[in-house]
Amino acid sequence: DSGVTQTPKHLITATGQRVTLRCSPRSGDLSVYWYQQSLDQGLQFLIQYYNGEERAKGNILERFSAQQFPDLHSELNLSSLELGDSALYFCASSANIVGTQYFGPGTRLLVL
Amino acid sequence: DAKTTQPNSMESNEEEPVHLPCNHSTISGTDYIHWYRQLPSQGPEYVIHGLTSNVNNRMASLAIAEDRKSSTLILHRATLRDAAVYYCILRDVGYGGSQGNLIFGKGTKLSVKP
Repeated sequence: DSGVTQTPKHLITATGQRVTLRCSPRSGDLSVYWYQQSLDQGLQFLIQYYNGEERAKGNILERFSAQQFPDLHSELNLSSLELGDSALYFCASSANIVGTQYFGPGTRLLVL
Repeated sequence: DAKTTQPNSMESNEEEPVHLPCNHSTISGTDYIHWYRQLPSQGPEYVIHGLTSNVNNRMASLAIAEDRKSSTLILHRATLRDAAVYYCILRDVGYGGSQGNLIFGKGTKLSVKP
């Protein structure tokens, strides 16, 4: 158990819909990262937050957005969903900007 | 970010040592070498990291070549639970480096036979 929690575990929705994925980092960790893992693209970095501020952006689509709240939990919002958005979404946290990352169990999203 | 090259797959027998190679010929002076693994149906898990010297922890050892252009992750006695995809990743934590995110390649899929 990494100490990072993600909800929900599974999510099934339809094209065009909007969903919110939630992540609680390990106690004391200030940095949160979001990654997407699909069969064809592998594990790809989406976005990083540090202490509430956006720190780095990767291959995140404009239809996706994220935020980190004062209690340090983070949410990833996916809108206008397409079939290709079906993937595993992982959250990771680290103590600081460059610390070792600890990953959550992931949310499996299926868009029908 | 500097790239790494790993074999697509490797096989090992249970209770034998496993040496997982990684080439990173374009590594820069501020790149740390990190290893993560991903067990089936789980999120990636940190294994070990190093800069220049060999490193040991309870999970594995990391042997780094003197010129730092390659490294080897060593599992001293493979167990069935070690069957996973192992990722070798370079992280630039120097001033002005990318710092935060991990860039995952395809990794090496390790199979462990009983």
